[in-house]
Amino acid sequence: EAQVTQNPRYLITVTGKKLTVTCSQNMNHEYMSWYRQDPGLGLRQIYYSMNVEVTDKGDVPEGYKVSRKEKRNFPLILESPSPNQTSLYFCASSLWEGGTGELFFGEGSRLTVL
Amino acid sequence: AQKVTQAQTEISVVEKEDVTLDCVYETRDTTYYLFWYKQPPSGELVFLIRRNSFDEQNEISGRYSWNFQKSTSSFNFTITASQVVDSAVYFCALSEVIQGAQKLVFGQGTRLTINP
Repeated sequence: EAQVTQNPRYLITVTGKKLTVTCSQNMNHEYMSWYRQDPGLGLRQIYYSMNVEVTDKGDVPEGYKVSRKEKRNFPLILESPSPNQTSLYFCASSLWEGGTGELFFGEGSRLTVL
Repeated sequence: AQKVTQAQTEISVVEKEDVTLDCVYETRDTTYYLFWYKQPPSGELVFLIRRNSFDEQNEISGRYSWNFQKSTSSFNFTITASQVVDSAVYFCALSEVIQGAQKLVFGQGTRLTINP
């Protein structure tokens, strides 16, 4: 089954404790991206990757890091989480198709930073 | 800069009513793509439709239809004979390629509640 898998789905942590949210897709997609969803703000892009070893900042990259060492994986790293990073996070992937591909989303990871 | 506005934050209707969700976008490009996604209470994001800027034909899929009008920069979504299962948050999104990278911007979302 074609899917994007995120882990963990739910996490409560404390300020400053490093954490990683993993994302894996099995569709051989070139493009992957992370979004955060906050009430009244819709989804905002954090980072994206157009292929292995190619990553770039989205609209709200502060406080996050990513890596793309393999095509299927695109982890999101919070080196020192803060309460304003409490949010619902989505990983997504798509075929490149010149930048017009349909995005397939993971089920979301709800993160609470105390 | 790109922008997507969904002016309706929440809509509540009674089952079997028709309902239209508005989406207005801003872009300076002539080539772009528009999307609608559904987020049911379970939280996942479900792709509904993709439309490119050169195709202004309206689209119908069962009870769902989309009206794309470049003249007003709108891409509205209508659900006919709504059902309780249509209750969800609906997002409109605009995609452009900027400096070789896909830029997807979402609207704020419209929470649709269908009451029995």
